[in-house]
Amino acid sequence: SAVISQKPSRDICQRGTSLTIQCQVDSQVTMMFWYRQQPGQSLTLIATANQGSEATYESGFVIDKFPISRPNLTFSTLTVSNMSPEDSSIYLCSVMGIEGQPQHFGDGTRLSIL
Amino acid sequence: GDSVTQMEGPVTLSEEAFLTINCTYTATGYPSLFWYVQYPGEGLQLLLKATKADDKGSNKGFEATYRKETTSFHLEKGSVQVSDSAVYFCALRPGAGSYQLTFGKGTKLSVIP
Repeated sequence: SAVISQKPSRDICQRGTSLTIQCQVDSQVTMMFWYRQQPGQSLTLIATANQGSEATYESGFVIDKFPISRPNLTFSTLTVSNMSPEDSSIYLCSVMGIEGQPQHFGDGTRLSIL
Repeated sequence: GDSVTQMEGPVTLSEEAFLTINCTYTATGYPSLFWYVQYPGEGLQLLLKATKADDKGSNKGFEATYRKETTSFHLEKGSVQVSDSAVYFCALRPGAGSYQLTFGKGTKLSVIP
């Protein structure tokens, strides 16, 4: 399966600032997704990152708060904007190599907002 | 909409005990079903999958059978080890070209020597 690298692995940020998380895959993949895992909770899909076009956001998530880029088939970024303590979570990138195959996840970015 | 219900944790077992983690789902059509495992401080790893009714997924001694009649996908292992301590997530993916995953809430397993 694809090797997925997420950066940073963790960060502590100040309220009101923004952080960009990077997801790099070692091979071209058809689909890339961003999930949020709040403390002690399950995973919730934020959006599907579309190559060359705007991401597709799930209900409750908006582009102004979570802008996403996907300039090519191996790379995507998620920005968490104007952060508040409620944004403290693990953010995970996942990829699907070939359409219909299982999703594989990166190790996540552990984000704490003070 | 689609949903996944897992048994509440945490679950604490002694080494070599038998493990069952229950998972039931609600979905239209013919979803694919997955179990993912999250070890402390790590991301999710795919443990096993099943794509159609009566399929059995297996990996590392874990098994789960896709039961359409009971809409279930229970995870089992005959003899757990301390290294199996982790959080286990059941998930479904709708069919018909939709690839988003819906996760259960997760079940934390602790195995003691």
